Amino acid sequence: GIQVEQSPPDLILQEGANSTLRCNFSDSVNNLQWFHQNPWGQLINLFYIPSGTKQNGRLSATTVATERYSLLYISSSQTTDSGVYFCAVERHAGGTSYGKLTFGQGTILTVHP
Amino acid sequence: DTGVSQNPRHKITKRGQNVTFRCDPISEHNRLYWYRQTLGQGPEFLTYFQNEAQLEKSRLLSDRFSAERPKGSFSTLEIQRTEQGDSAMYLCASSFGDVGIANYGYTFGSGTRLTVV
Repeated sequence: GIQVEQSPPDLILQEGANSTLRCNFSDSVNNLQWFHQNPWGQLINLFYIPSGTKQNGRLSATTVATERYSLLYISSSQTTDSGVYFCAVERHAGGTSYGKLTFGQGTILTVHP
Repeated sequence: DTGVSQNPRHKITKRGQNVTFRCDPISEHNRLYWYRQTLGQGPEFLTYFQNEAQLEKSRLLSDRFSAERPKGSFSTLEIQRTEQGDSAMYLCASSFGDVGIANYGYTFGSGTRLTVV
């Protein structure tokens, strides 16, 4: 099956700093999502981004599908950004997407005040 | 809509007992997924329903695991004869999609944390 690797595994920042999280995947994908898992375990979808660049406030993401990687940028980090960030990909044969996701191991982000 | 709801939030059970978890998806979503997450790992796919039909099961889902989605609404995940290795967070997610329509609205519940002692 497809392999998803995230780096770095851990990241510690001071509030206000910027950061870049990386996701590499081993094969072509039909979809890619970034999630944030808060300290209570809730997974929140941040971006659907199979290719290109998207921005949402202080967060932006870029996926270069031909080179099999995606980047998540966090600018002016806040303590509420702490948690685990997961990249998840979908790869399906044929034309029908059914949403089965393969997750990376995550990046644990800690933002100190 | 209140999102994807999972019950119970926590379950402690003795090895060998059966447990059942419930997931109520977002009402207009036709797809429902179960994942399992162990400490320090990302979620792993277990199974998937489109409406009431269970269309795929992971090899992680042994014969002791069974999932149902009667009438295409809520879903239950049952684990029989629990083992300590079953201890994990069980996550449910729902979305809407169909042939030729990209999956959208992927939403996770808060999970059920199972501890087998």
